[in-house]
Parts: sequence; C-alpha cells; structure tokens
Amino acid sequence: EIVMTQSPATLSVSPGERATLSCRASQSVGSKLAWYQQRPGQVPRLLIFGASARATGIPARFSGSGSGTEFTLTISSLQSEDFAVYYCQQYHSWPPITFGQGTRLEIK
Amino acid sequence: QVQLQQSGPGLVKPSETLSLTCSVSGAAIRTSSFYWGWVRQSPGKGLEWIGSVSHSGTTYYDPSLKSRVTISVDTSNNHFSLRLTSVAAADTAIYFCSRSPSYPYQYIDVWGQGTAVTVSS
Repeated sequence: EIVMTQSPATLSVSPGERATLSCRASQSVGSKLAWYQQRPGQVPRLLIFGASARATGIPARFSGSGSGTEFTLTISSLQSEDFAVYYCQQYHSWPPITFGQGTRLEIK
Repeated sequence: QVQLQQSGPGLVKPSETLSLTCSVSGAAIRTSSFYWGWVRQSPGKGLEWIGSVSHSGTTYYDPSLKSRVTISVDTSNNHFSLRLTSVAAADTAIYFCSRSPSYPYQYIDVWGQGTAVTVSS
C-alpha cells in the first residue's frame, strides 16, 4: 500500500497571500496524483488530477506540480472561500487507492 | 451532467449489515466506461477509499475491508450499492458514493451528497 503524507497538518495564511501545500508518496506514483478541497460540512471537490491538470471550473489560482514522490498544491492570492481542508490522493498503484491525512488551511 | 443521489439508513446496529444505494442520473451505468465507488470519512478524520465497480461488475476493494464489503451495480435501475457486513462502532462515518473517469484513472470527479451512518444499538 502506498502511504501518502501531507505537510503541514495546519497552515495559517493571510487572505491575498500564497499557500503551498505538500504531499509525499512512500513510493513513486508517477503523475497519478489528485488534489481535493473539502470545506466544512461539504462534499470533497476535485481540484487537480494528473498532478497538474485543473478540473473543470477550478480557478487558475490553483496549480499542482510534481511527479514521482513529491507533489505541491499552490494557491496564489488566497480568497476567503479557499480556507478548507485539502487532501491528496494517489491512483497509480491500487487497490487500495490512498489519501493523505489532509492539510487544514486556516486564516491567519 | 452526472449526479449521484444516495439513499439508505443512518443508523445500523452492531453486527448487522450496512446497505447504501447510489442512484445515477445523467449517465447510463450500462454503457459508460466510468468506475463507481464508495469512500468514507470517520468523524473528524480523513478520507478512506472502500472500493469501486465497473459497469460490467468488476470490483476492487480495500484489502482491509475486503472480507466484509460488496459493491454491485444494477444497470436496469441505473444505480450501484454498498453492503458492509458485521459493522462495529469503527464503521461510523459519512459514506460518499463516487464516480471515477475510467480504468486506471481512479481520481474522483463526481461525489454523492454523503450519508451519515452511525453504528449503535
């Protein structure tokens, strides 16, 4: 099973600033990495797939990068609606599909 | 636009079977290449993949749940289902049904609304 580790657990950033979230895989997942956003009380939403492709309707301020075992989600110029929990997920080697434990992005 | 609508009980007794259904609108399970699955989220915790099924009935399960899980499709009624046997308190969670684009691209691009299931007597 591939273990996904996200850091930091909590990230405090001011509105308008940039946020950088990290995800590490215990072994290479190539580019088969997705990112999700989950606002409180809501269903997760797909942001990024294939490590860097934005899903339909996702604003350009969200970008993904990386390959192999190291990945980054960058949110430029944070908006109020961006404060949420973010999860990475690998789909390179499955079953099982595995998620990271999440990074909580909070307002500074 | 594909939508997933979940149904099923919110309370299940310990040792009994949890059963949830996910109705699909906007796509026909029978003719699509999509994979249909289930993910759960324990209170205050992260996301846990349970398993998925293709239109032809090919299934994939999380090894830790495999002995208790069955995911099946009903192409006639355009829905798919989750059965989890011998539930315990640790199975208390919000259960989401999901869609993935195709094999092997198992990221989730459509989610159901979620069903909060409590295991309690």
